[in-house]
Amino acid sequence: GQQLNQSPQSMFIQEGEDVSMNCTSSSIFNTWLWYKQDPGEGPVLLIALYKAGELTSNGRLTAQFGITRKDSFLNISASIPSDVGIYFCAGQPYSGGGADGLTFGKGTHLIIQP
Amino acid sequence: GAGVSQSPSNKVTEKGKDVELRCDPISGHTALYWYRQSLGQGLEFLIYFQGNSAPDKSGLPSDRFSAERTGGSVSTLTIQRTQQEDSAVYLCASSSRTGVTYEQYFGPGTRLTVT
Repeated sequence: GQQLNQSPQSMFIQEGEDVSMNCTSSSIFNTWLWYKQDPGEGPVLLIALYKAGELTSNGRLTAQFGITRKDSFLNISASIPSDVGIYFCAGQPYSGGGADGLTFGKGTHLIIQP
Repeated sequence: GAGVSQSPSNKVTEKGKDVELRCDPISGHTALYWYRQSLGQGLEFLIYFQGNSAPDKSGLPSDRFSAERTGGSVSTLTIQRTQQEDSAVYLCASSSRTGVTYEQYFGPGTRLTVT
């Protein structure tokens, strides 16, 4: 089946630093989504991307859909303590099937050091 | 408005028992999805409903797993003869068929522990 490689697995950063994480796939994806999950809760949708080359921002978050359709990155600028959590990329494979299940990366655990 | 809700939030069961997990999607969302998240892992797709029908059951890990959806709303995921490897967080998501179909909104999950 489809697999997404998400990196880094974890990040230890200082408050105020910028963060960058990415996802790659061996096959083409129609859609890239980025989610954040806090402990004990379900993932919350941050950004959705639908077009190759698309660059979308949501506050301090910026994400891009790679030109090859096989990758995406998420940047967080000027990190704050509430950014702590696990960030997941997710993709809709190019199957033309419509609302099928998403394929998820294994997550990037963001830890902010005081 | 109300988001996706799931019940129970936690379930502890003995190996071999059956369990039912419930999902209430966002009102008006016609597509519903079940995922499983094992400790420290990403989400594993289980099954998808469009209305009451399940066109994609490919992710169900074994025939002990089944799901149904009635009235185009509430869904139940049933695990029969639970095994310890079934311990995980089971997440439900829903999305609308109007506009963008790929944006899935998740509930808080049911944490299942099989002892």
